[in-house]
Amino acid sequence: KAGVTQTPRYLIKTRGQQVTLSCSPISGHRSVSWYQQTPGQGLQFLFEYFSETQRNKGNFPGRFSGRQFSNSRSEMNVSTLELGDSALYLCASSKGLAGGDTQYFGPGTRLTVL
Amino acid sequence: GQQLNQSPQSMFIQEGEDVSMNCTSSSIFNTWLWYKQDPGEGPVLLIALYKAGELTSNGRLTAQFGITRKDSFLNISASIPSDVGIYFCAGQFLSGGYQKVTFGTGTKLQVIP
Repeated sequence: KAGVTQTPRYLIKTRGQQVTLSCSPISGHRSVSWYQQTPGQGLQFLFEYFSETQRNKGNFPGRFSGRQFSNSRSEMNVSTLELGDSALYLCASSKGLAGGDTQYFGPGTRLTVL
Repeated sequence: GQQLNQSPQSMFIQEGEDVSMNCTSSSIFNTWLWYKQDPGEGPVLLIALYKAGELTSNGRLTAQFGITRKDSFLNISASIPSDVGIYFCAGQFLSGGYQKVTFGTGTKLQVIP
C-alpha cells in the first residue's frame, strides 16, 4: 500500500509570491490534515479536510487555505508569502473515523521564502 | 484545549543505554501515538495504543497507555546510533463526532557512539 505522498519536496519562493502544495493520502483515507513545522515550534496544526469539507482549523491567518478533491487529494495554498512562512509543511492522512483512527504522515514539503 | 507536556525536551545518551520519555496531560485521551522524525522527513508512526493500561512493544521500543488515560511513556532499550531523531507523542480524543489529535513538543534524542 503506497504511503502519503507530497509534492514538491522542496520549493524556493520570494516574499509576496504564492505557493500551492499537494498531498495524496493513503488509498481509502478520507481525512487529510496539514501541519507547519519550524525549528523549535513543533507541529502546528493548520487544518483538516474530510470528504471535501474543512472540519477543523488551527490558528493561522487567512493567507493559508486549503481544499480537498473528490479523490481525497488535498492542496494547501499560501498567498503573499512572508519570510516566517519558511518551514516544513507536512500532511497526514487517516480514515477520519470516530474510533481507532491513526494519522500517517508524508515526507513533507520544505518551503524556503527568500 | 487539550495540551500535552512531553519530557525531556532533549537528551544525550551513550550507545547501548536505555532511554525513557513521557507525555502527560490534564485531559483524557482515547488513543496515544508515538512517532519518530528523522531530519527533513515526516514523522513515522512507531506505536499506537488504544486502551488504558495497554503495553505494546515494537522491537526495542515499548510504550504504555497510562491507566488514568492522561499519560503515556516510550522506552527504547539498548540504543543505537540510528535511534537519533525527534520523538513525538500524540493524543487523540473524540470531539464533534470525530477524532482530533494533539501533539507533544517532541524529545530530541542524540546517541553518542
